[in-house]
Amino acid sequence: QKEVEQDPGPLSVPEGAIVSLNCTYSNSAFQYFMWYRQYSRKGPELLMYTYSSGNKEDGRFTAQVDKSSKYISLFIRDSQPSDSATYLCAMSAGAAGNKLTFGGGTRVLVKP
Amino acid sequence: KAGVTQTPRYLIKTRGQQVTLSCSPISGHRSVSWYQQTPGQGLQFLFEYFSETQRNKGNFPGRFSGRQFSNSRSEMNVSTLELGDSALYLCASSRTLAGVGAGNEQYFGPGTRLTVT
Repeated sequence: QKEVEQDPGPLSVPEGAIVSLNCTYSNSAFQYFMWYRQYSRKGPELLMYTYSSGNKEDGRFTAQVDKSSKYISLFIRDSQPSDSATYLCAMSAGAAGNKLTFGGGTRVLVKP
Repeated sequence: KAGVTQTPRYLIKTRGQQVTLSCSPISGHRSVSWYQQTPGQGLQFLFEYFSETQRNKGNFPGRFSGRQFSNSRSEMNVSTLELGDSALYLCASSRTLAGVGAGNEQYFGPGTRLTVT
């Protein structure tokens, strides 16, 4: 079983809808949680960064971390066709550097 | 501020050859990590350097090696290339290491797409 599980999708939503993404993990040592967006044939782009549990909001994006359930979420409000991409969750324990463990990514399609 | 840059962007090599990839981190960033991305395995951690020292290493064979220079630029080398080494190689930089205050978010470059034939 992988340390970080993420539904591969694709997740198809109409423009303007809320996109809901999530990851589960098994390693209780993870403390730093990130969401990246990756367009085809490009490098991942950092969207959200959260330390420990809690919520964080940035524009249309909201990240939630529930360490007790080992579950993290990303919500995208008012989705746009330009949000169509693969979304990757990533986590780090921090004890031995910045090594990130990634989920497999969820492909999102926002239809006009 | 310029982002992470990687050269070359595309590379085609023959099985058995070796290859060197280069990464220039964001100005002021001292940590550089390398990842391999393939359709089957996703993103996998290769190694991390901070202040010219390897801090962490992933589960890859010894054919994969790296180094970091005093200006924080980093190179990774793959010797005796195999077909399975075909992948997108990504470099990421961060200002600090985790636990040393804020600034351990990692920013990725565009990657080097390596094809081994």
